[in-house]
Amino acid sequence: EAQVTQNPRYLITVTGKKLTVTCSQNMNHEYMSWYRQDPGLGLRQIYYSMNVEVTDKGDVPEGYKVSRKEKRNFPLILESPSPNQTSLYFCASLPSGTRHGQPQHFGDGTRLSIL
Amino acid sequence: QKEVEQDPGPLSVPEGAIVSLNCTYSNSAFQYFMWYRQYSRKGPELLMYTYSSGNKEDGRFTAQVDKSSKYISLFIRDSQPSDSATYLCAMRILPMDSNYQLIWGAGTKLIIKP
Repeated sequence: EAQVTQNPRYLITVTGKKLTVTCSQNMNHEYMSWYRQDPGLGLRQIYYSMNVEVTDKGDVPEGYKVSRKEKRNFPLILESPSPNQTSLYFCASLPSGTRHGQPQHFGDGTRLSIL
Repeated sequence: QKEVEQDPGPLSVPEGAIVSLNCTYSNSAFQYFMWYRQYSRKGPELLMYTYSSGNKEDGRFTAQVDKSSKYISLFIRDSQPSDSATYLCAMRILPMDSNYQLIWGAGTKLIIKP
Protein backbone atom coordinates (compact mmCIF):
# COMPACT_ATOMS: atom_id res chain seq x y z
CA GLU A 1 0.00 0.00 0.00
CA ALA A 2 1.33 3.43 -1.00
CA GLN A 3 1.77 5.49 2.12
CA VAL A 4 3.62 8.18 4.01
CA THR A 5 4.40 7.11 7.57
CA GLN A 6 5.14 9.53 10.38
CA ASN A 7 6.39 8.71 13.85
CA PRO A 8 5.56 9.41 16.56
CA ARG A 9 1.89 10.27 16.11
CA TYR A 10 1.74 12.06 19.43
CA LEU A 11 4.47 13.51 21.63
CA ILE A 12 4.48 15.64 24.75
CA THR A 13 7.88 16.96 25.70
CA VAL A 14 9.60 19.86 27.41
CA THR A 15 11.32 22.98 26.17
CA GLY A 16 14.86 22.46 24.99
CA LYS A 17 14.81 18.67 24.68
CA LYS A 18 15.88 17.76 21.14
CA LEU A 19 13.42 15.65 19.20
CA THR A 20 13.10 14.11 15.77
CA VAL A 21 9.93 13.32 13.88
CA THR A 22 10.50 10.69 11.23
CA CYS A 23 8.81 10.53 7.83
CA SER A 24 9.09 7.66 5.40
CA GLN A 25 7.41 7.09 2.03
CA ASN A 26 7.30 3.87 0.01
CA MET A 27 6.41 5.38 -3.38
CA ASN A 28 9.92 6.28 -4.54
CA HIS A 29 8.93 9.96 -4.65
CA GLU A 30 11.64 12.55 -5.18
CA TYR A 31 9.82 15.49 -3.58
CA MET A 32 9.05 15.59 0.14
CA SER A 33 7.84 18.39 2.36
CA TRP A 34 7.02 19.23 5.96
CA TYR A 35 4.06 21.36 7.02
CA ARG A 36 2.67 22.57 10.27
CA GLN A 37 -1.05 23.08 10.75
CA ASP A 38 -2.33 25.56 13.30
CA PRO A 39 -5.94 26.64 13.95
CA GLY A 40 -6.94 29.55 11.75
CA LEU A 41 -3.67 29.50 9.81
CA GLY A 42 -3.95 26.49 7.55
CA LEU A 43 -0.97 24.48 6.38
CA ARG A 44 2.36 26.30 6.30
CA GLN A 45 5.42 24.79 4.69
CA ILE A 46 8.49 24.37 6.92
CA TYR A 47 11.05 22.72 4.62
CA TYR A 48 11.01 20.79 1.39
CA SER A 49 13.35 18.51 -0.51
CA MET A 50 13.51 18.03 -4.26
CA ASN A 51 15.69 14.92 -3.98
CA VAL A 52 18.40 13.25 -1.92
CA GLU A 53 20.76 15.81 -0.39
CA VAL A 54 18.66 18.71 -1.78
CA THR A 55 16.67 20.64 0.82
CA ASP A 56 15.37 24.19 1.07
CA LYS A 57 13.42 26.43 3.39
CA GLY A 58 9.70 26.90 3.17
CA ASP A 59 7.73 29.71 4.74
CA VAL A 60 8.36 28.96 8.44
CA PRO A 61 11.76 27.23 8.79
CA GLU A 62 12.95 28.92 12.01
CA GLY A 63 13.71 26.44 14.78
CA TYR A 64 13.66 23.39 12.48
CA LYS A 65 16.20 21.31 10.61
CA VAL A 66 15.80 18.55 8.06
CA SER A 67 17.99 16.06 6.28
CA ARG A 68 17.54 13.90 3.19
CA LYS A 69 20.16 11.18 3.11
CA GLU A 70 17.90 8.60 1.49
CA LYS A 71 15.05 9.07 -0.94
CA ARG A 72 12.44 7.43 1.30
CA ASN A 73 13.21 9.31 4.55
CA PHE A 74 12.86 12.98 5.45
CA PRO A 75 13.16 13.54 9.21
CA LEU A 76 12.21 16.82 10.89
CA ILE A 77 14.51 17.85 13.72
CA LEU A 78 13.75 20.29 16.51
CA GLU A 79 17.11 20.99 18.13
CA SER A 80 15.72 23.06 21.00
CA PRO A 81 11.91 22.91 20.95
CA SER A 82 9.93 25.82 22.30
CA PRO A 83 6.21 26.12 23.19
CA ASN A 84 5.48 28.05 19.96
CA GLN A 85 6.35 24.87 18.07
CA THR A 86 3.38 23.12 19.60
CA SER A 87 1.42 22.15 16.51
CA LEU A 88 0.17 19.41 14.21
CA TYR A 89 2.86 18.41 11.70
CA PHE A 90 2.41 16.73 8.34
CA CYS A 91 4.88 15.19 5.96
CA ALA A 92 3.96 14.94 2.27
CA SER A 93 5.50 13.54 -0.90
CA LEU A 94 5.18 13.83 -4.69
CA PRO A 95 6.97 12.30 -7.65
CA SER A 96 9.21 14.69 -9.59
CA GLY A 97 7.86 16.09 -12.83
CA THR A 98 4.49 16.32 -11.13
CA ARG A 99 1.79 17.97 -13.16
CA HIS A 100 -0.37 20.51 -11.45
CA GLY A 101 -3.28 18.20 -10.71
CA GLN A 102 -1.33 15.46 -9.03
CA PRO A 103 -2.08 15.19 -5.32
CA GLN A 104 0.45 15.36 -2.58
CA HIS A 105 0.41 12.24 -0.43
CA PHE A 106 0.20 13.19 3.23
CA GLY A 107 1.04 11.26 6.34
CA ASP A 108 -1.49 11.07 9.16
CA GLY A 109 0.21 13.77 11.19
CA THR A 110 2.24 14.16 14.37
CA ARG A 111 0.78 16.16 17.22
CA LEU A 112 3.57 17.80 19.20
CA SER A 113 3.06 19.52 22.54
CA ILE A 114 6.04 21.44 23.92
CA LEU A 115 5.63 22.37 27.58
CA GLN B 1 -4.57 40.08 5.08
CA LYS B 2 -4.17 36.41 4.28
CA GLU B 3 -3.79 35.42 0.64
CA VAL B 4 -6.55 32.84 0.99
CA GLU B 5 -9.55 33.29 3.28
CA GLN B 6 -11.83 30.47 4.34
CA ASP B 7 -14.58 30.48 6.94
CA PRO B 8 -13.55 27.99 9.66
CA GLY B 9 -17.12 27.01 10.52
CA PRO B 10 -18.24 24.67 11.84
CA LEU B 11 -20.94 24.33 9.24
CA SER B 12 -23.66 21.93 10.39
CA VAL B 13 -26.32 20.70 7.94
CA PRO B 14 -28.80 17.81 7.86
CA GLU B 15 -28.12 14.71 5.81
CA GLY B 16 -29.20 15.10 2.21
CA ALA B 17 -28.68 18.87 2.09
CA ILE B 18 -26.64 20.65 -0.54
CA VAL B 19 -23.46 22.04 0.98
CA SER B 20 -21.58 25.06 -0.31
CA LEU B 21 -18.01 25.65 0.84
CA ASN B 22 -16.11 28.73 -0.27
CA CYS B 23 -12.74 30.44 -0.39
CA THR B 24 -11.74 33.90 -1.44
CA TYR B 25 -8.27 34.90 -2.49
CA SER B 26 -6.39 38.08 -3.17
CA ASN B 27 -3.71 37.11 -5.70
CA SER B 28 -5.07 37.21 -9.24
CA ALA B 29 -2.08 35.14 -10.42
CA PHE B 30 -3.46 31.94 -8.89
CA GLN B 31 -4.28 29.48 -11.65
CA TYR B 32 -4.64 26.07 -10.03
CA PHE B 33 -7.30 25.49 -7.43
CA MET B 34 -7.68 22.41 -5.28
CA TRP B 35 -9.98 21.11 -2.60
CA TYR B 36 -8.62 18.71 -0.01
CA ARG B 37 -10.65 16.77 2.53
CA GLN B 38 -9.21 16.07 5.96
CA TYR B 39 -10.80 13.60 8.33
CA SER B 40 -10.07 13.82 12.03
CA ARG B 41 -6.59 12.48 12.91
CA LYS B 42 -5.75 12.06 9.23
CA GLY B 43 -3.74 13.93 6.63
CA PRO B 44 -5.42 15.92 3.84
CA GLU B 45 -6.39 14.06 0.67
CA LEU B 46 -7.10 15.63 -2.72
CA LEU B 47 -10.79 15.77 -3.55
CA MET B 48 -11.09 18.04 -6.57
CA TYR B 49 -8.81 20.04 -8.81
CA THR B 50 -9.55 22.77 -11.37
CA TYR B 51 -7.40 24.87 -13.64
CA SER B 52 -8.31 28.51 -14.28
CA SER B 53 -12.03 29.31 -14.38
CA GLY B 54 -15.08 27.13 -14.78
CA ASN B 55 -16.76 24.15 -13.20
CA LYS B 56 -15.71 20.58 -12.67
CA GLU B 57 -17.99 17.80 -11.53
CA ASP B 58 -17.12 14.47 -9.94
CA GLY B 59 -20.05 12.46 -8.62
CA ARG B 60 -21.73 14.43 -5.84
CA PHE B 61 -18.99 17.07 -5.83
CA THR B 62 -18.73 20.18 -8.01
CA ALA B 63 -15.83 22.62 -7.90
CA GLN B 64 -16.38 26.11 -9.26
CA VAL B 65 -13.89 28.90 -9.91
CA ASP B 66 -14.82 32.53 -10.51
CA LYS B 67 -11.55 34.32 -11.21
CA SER B 68 -13.23 37.67 -11.81
CA SER B 69 -14.48 37.61 -8.22
CA LYS B 70 -11.45 35.71 -6.86
CA TYR B 71 -13.83 33.18 -5.37
CA ILE B 72 -13.90 29.39 -5.45
CA SER B 73 -16.60 27.02 -4.28
CA LEU B 74 -17.11 23.36 -3.57
CA PHE B 75 -20.66 22.03 -3.71
CA ILE B 76 -21.64 18.71 -2.20
CA ARG B 77 -25.00 17.26 -3.26
CA ASP B 78 -26.96 14.72 -1.24
CA SER B 79 -24.57 15.17 1.68
CA GLN B 80 -23.82 12.11 3.82
CA PRO B 81 -22.56 11.76 7.40
CA SER B 82 -19.36 10.35 5.89
CA ASP B 83 -18.77 13.78 4.31
CA SER B 84 -18.19 15.20 7.80
CA ALA B 85 -14.62 16.46 7.69
CA THR B 86 -12.57 19.62 7.35
CA TYR B 87 -12.36 20.91 3.79
CA LEU B 88 -9.26 22.83 2.80
CA CYS B 89 -8.89 24.93 -0.32
CA ALA B 90 -5.44 25.32 -1.83
CA MET B 91 -4.09 27.16 -4.83
CA ARG B 92 -0.90 27.95 -6.69
CA ILE B 93 0.52 30.30 -9.27
CA LEU B 94 1.96 29.56 -12.69
CA PRO B 95 4.53 28.61 -13.66
CA MET B 96 5.26 25.35 -11.96
CA ASP B 97 8.46 26.03 -10.07
CA SER B 98 10.71 23.61 -8.31
CA ASN B 99 8.77 23.81 -5.05
CA TYR B 100 5.31 22.35 -5.49
CA GLN B 101 4.08 24.72 -2.84
CA LEU B 102 0.42 25.41 -2.40
CA ILE B 103 -1.16 28.37 -0.61
CA TRP B 104 -3.75 26.97 1.79
CA GLY B 105 -6.96 28.19 3.31
CA ALA B 106 -7.43 27.50 7.02
CA GLY B 107 -10.16 24.92 6.37
CA THR B 108 -13.92 24.72 7.02
CA LYS B 109 -15.19 22.07 9.41
CA LEU B 110 -18.32 20.43 8.01
CA ILE B 111 -20.74 18.37 10.10
CA ILE B 112 -23.51 16.37 8.42
CA LYS B 113 -26.20 15.41 10.91
CA PRO B 114 -27.99 12.08 10.30
